[in-house]
Amino acid sequence: QKEVEQNSGPLSVPEGAIASLNCTYSDRGSQSFFWYRQYSGKSPELIMSIYSNGDKEDGRFTAQLNKASQYVSLLIRDSQPSDSATYLCAVSPEGYSSASKIIFGSGTRLSIRP
Amino acid sequence: GAVVSQHPSRVICKSGTSVKIECRSLDFQATTMFWYRQFPKQSLMLMATSNEGSKATYEQGVEKDKFLINHASLTLSTLTVTSAHPEDSSFYICVGGFQETQYFGPGTRLLVL
Repeated sequence: QKEVEQNSGPLSVPEGAIASLNCTYSDRGSQSFFWYRQYSGKSPELIMSIYSNGDKEDGRFTAQLNKASQYVSLLIRDSQPSDSATYLCAVSPEGYSSASKIIFGSGTRLSIRP
Repeated sequence: GAVVSQHPSRVICKSGTSVKIECRSLDFQATTMFWYRQFPKQSLMLMATSNEGSKATYEQGVEKDKFLINHASLTLSTLTVTSAHPEDSSFYICVGGFQETQYFGPGTRLLVL
């Protein structure tokens, strides 16, 4: 069983709509949860982190965490063509630090159609 | 923000040769360096974790004699792929850890012919 699972997509969303990306993880003791965006041929960049149950909003992005269901999601409001990328869900068994190991999912490819 | 550079950004080599990838933290001292490998359409897989001045800790299944990691200073870590083969072709990413945050390098694309 994969430790972090995501639907590979592609997920196609019309411009201006809400994109919803989902992720499940297997280690119930995980403490830190992240969403990274990765453009083709580039390194991932951190866009959201969440540590406690509930929602966390940052601009057009909202991360949602449900530890009981071992489920993390990312909502992107008012989707723009520049949001087209692969979104990687990532989990750490410990609190986030400069030395904490992070386990990545294989990513969901998001395509925003004009 | 903190910047991590990698050199080269792309490298093509012949099978059997060795390739060295440099990772530098430009404006901070990375107490921890991580090396990841990413095959096409797959997740980032952690290869090893290194702390300055000590031996790297390799993940299960990663050959330490094939992937040599040196973290000689707080601003430089190197990954040497020895006797590279086509199956080593991948995207290699280093990550520098500093002050409770991790900073990703831009990655190095290795193609072994």
